[in-house]
Amino acid sequence: GAGVSQSPSNKVTEKGKDVELRCDPISGHTALYWYRQSLGQGLEFLIYFQGNSAPDKSGLPSDRFSAERTGGSVSTLTIQRTQQEDSAVYLCASSSDRAPLHFGNGTRLTVT
Amino acid sequence: AQSVTQPDIHITVSEGASLELRCNYSYGATPYLFWYVQSPGQGLQLLLKYFSGDTLVQGIKGFEAEFKRSQSSFNLRKPSVHWSDAAEYFCAVGEWDYKLSFGAGTTVTVRA
Repeated sequence: GAGVSQSPSNKVTEKGKDVELRCDPISGHTALYWYRQSLGQGLEFLIYFQGNSAPDKSGLPSDRFSAERTGGSVSTLTIQRTQQEDSAVYLCASSSDRAPLHFGNGTRLTVT
Repeated sequence: AQSVTQPDIHITVSEGASLELRCNYSYGATPYLFWYVQSPGQGLQLLLKYFSGDTLVQGIKGFEAEFKRSQSSFNLRKPSVHWSDAAEYFCAVGEWDYKLSFGAGTTVTVRA
């Protein structure tokens, strides 16, 4: 497909478990972003990857959150020891240089 | 620090009526401003953006927005709303699509 692809689309997990969320950006896009969308809270910036530069992790809410981007393409957001407050929609976006963000449909995470 | 306020959480409008969504921002320099739309279960789609130049910008789906520096506003308008415009709308400010700060969103309901 031509768009940003995220998987899974929905994830239900028990409190304390680890989860991995995947993002396949648009081919050729050098920049990749993760945002978190909580109910009524707008979008919260989490992390930004640009090419081979060190990622900007300044938005990660705690050390339980980490992300990597392999080969400059696919990215995985990992949340360890999930908590109920982690429940949200996690959105991935990609862009080419100086171009608008293209968003995926998100992963809805529910922590029970 | 940059921030965005969307004063209206929910707006209901009749089909064919005009629509205006408010957005106020706080930013230290000349901002890059964006409006995104999100349909249920979907990612965010860029409606329009303002970087510089003409303060009235045209976007997709018949939307336009006007940048008013004196009022720190970037309100979104559409002259005649269609039922398919029912969605959530987000205003965002940032530096060229990097680390965008989003408002909490405005949900638009269109009644027949």
